[in-house]
Amino acid sequence: EDQVTQSPEALRLQEGESSSLNCSYTVSGLRGLFWYRQDPGKGPEFLFTLYSAGEEKEKERLKATLTKKESFLHITAPKPEDSATYLCAVQAGSGYSTLTFGKGTMLLVSP
Amino acid sequence: NAGVMQNPRHLVRRRGQEARLRCSPMKGHSHVYWYRQLPEEGLKFMVYLQKENIIDESGMPKERFSAEFPKEGPSILRIQQVVRGDSAAYFCASSPARGVPEAFFGQGTRLTVV
Repeated sequence: EDQVTQSPEALRLQEGESSSLNCSYTVSGLRGLFWYRQDPGKGPEFLFTLYSAGEEKEKERLKATLTKKESFLHITAPKPEDSATYLCAVQAGSGYSTLTFGKGTMLLVSP
Repeated sequence: NAGVMQNPRHLVRRRGQEARLRCSPMKGHSHVYWYRQLPEEGLKFMVYLQKENIIDESGMPKERFSAEFPKEGPSILRIQQVVRGDSAAYFCASSPARGVPEAFFGQGTRLTVV
């Protein structure tokens, strides 16, 4: 069974204090790893898809990286508006397959 | 807005009533996925539909829950005889073809059973 574990469950940062969120996974045949941002009361907002180990993607203050066992979401010099829950999901197997999500990391950035 | 549209955004039902949740996929998408998010839990897959077909309902509870995606109109997730444990946020996502991941989600319907 595919498993996705995110850590930490919650993270509190000061504005400008860089850090990383972790997503470790156990799947049979990774096809893609997805990062989302979810604000309270809203749906998940797509950020990145990573497909193979060594791949990196960046968007503003966020950078996602992927290894064979885990992915990191690096947040550089965060701002209060980066406060949200960050979700990681994997798509595995062949043919079609649906997403398996982790429970998320709740990030709070204080001014 | 050409995104995934869900309605209603909030739904309150008394125990024993029926709940109907609607999802209109992104333009050009014919595959719809329903997920449920319980408090303190991650998003869990429920059902995957293509127009007029259920492709995978392995995540759907066996009793009281059903889903459809007719040739015309939105996809419907129906919950009969709701119970307190059905209170959750229900999200819909869509994709243009089988095998293409469902990257884009709607804003969700928050169901509260009182």
